Amino acid sequence: NAGVTQTPKFRVLKTGQSMTLLCAQDMNHEYMYWYRQDPGMGLRLIHYSVGEGTTAKGEVPDGYNVSRLKKQNFLLGLESAAPSQTSVYFCASSTLQGWTYEQYFGPGTRLTVT
Amino acid sequence: RKEVEQDPGPFNVPEGATVAFNCTYSNSASQSFFWYRQDCRKEPKLLMSVYSSGNEDGRFTAQLNRASQYISLLIRDSKLSDSATYLCVVSPFNGGGADGLTFGKGTHLIIQP
Repeated sequence: NAGVTQTPKFRVLKTGQSMTLLCAQDMNHEYMYWYRQDPGMGLRLIHYSVGEGTTAKGEVPDGYNVSRLKKQNFLLGLESAAPSQTSVYFCASSTLQGWTYEQYFGPGTRLTVT
Repeated sequence: RKEVEQDPGPFNVPEGATVAFNCTYSNSASQSFFWYRQDCRKEPKLLMSVYSSGNEDGRFTAQLNRASQYISLLIRDSKLSDSATYLCVVSPFNGGGADGLTFGKGTHLIIQP
């Protein structure tokens, strides 16, 4: 199993450009998440999905959109990138194991917006 | 809103020593508690869940104090490989729930030879 993979690993965008980050998991997990991590801020939840075809807003959803057309994939879109979106983006997936929803994270995407 | 507070450190500790750090949470309705570990420029990984009665996993011991709303992590006989950032994580749902977790900013631990 590859676990959770993210594409791309690095990206530089200019202000106003758009892009899509792809997250894929091969563990058949129901739940998937997008977080961003900034220095001194910790991990913050952007959007999440509790199943194929469903998405919900997290703590910092503005400026992002998501889609979960297939159970194994969760896409994060930036329609018009801003320098404030420079961050490391982590995707995660989880399922109930025993009594715990352990989250498995991807390796991250480092995005710089100039 | 900052529901989970941690001392960012760094904690500089000699190899073999015991180190402990705490985390406080503001939501008294929190039900689930975890410690995740994050190595430099890597993704977070679950270290251990924190049970109400406290729990131990090898050299690691986690404690929960609901009355004072804090959890702690104690590492005994520290190894160089324990150097990492330790993230305190809470959830208002049993088991962590399906709609995401609240992460602290992390405590940076450096084990020195």
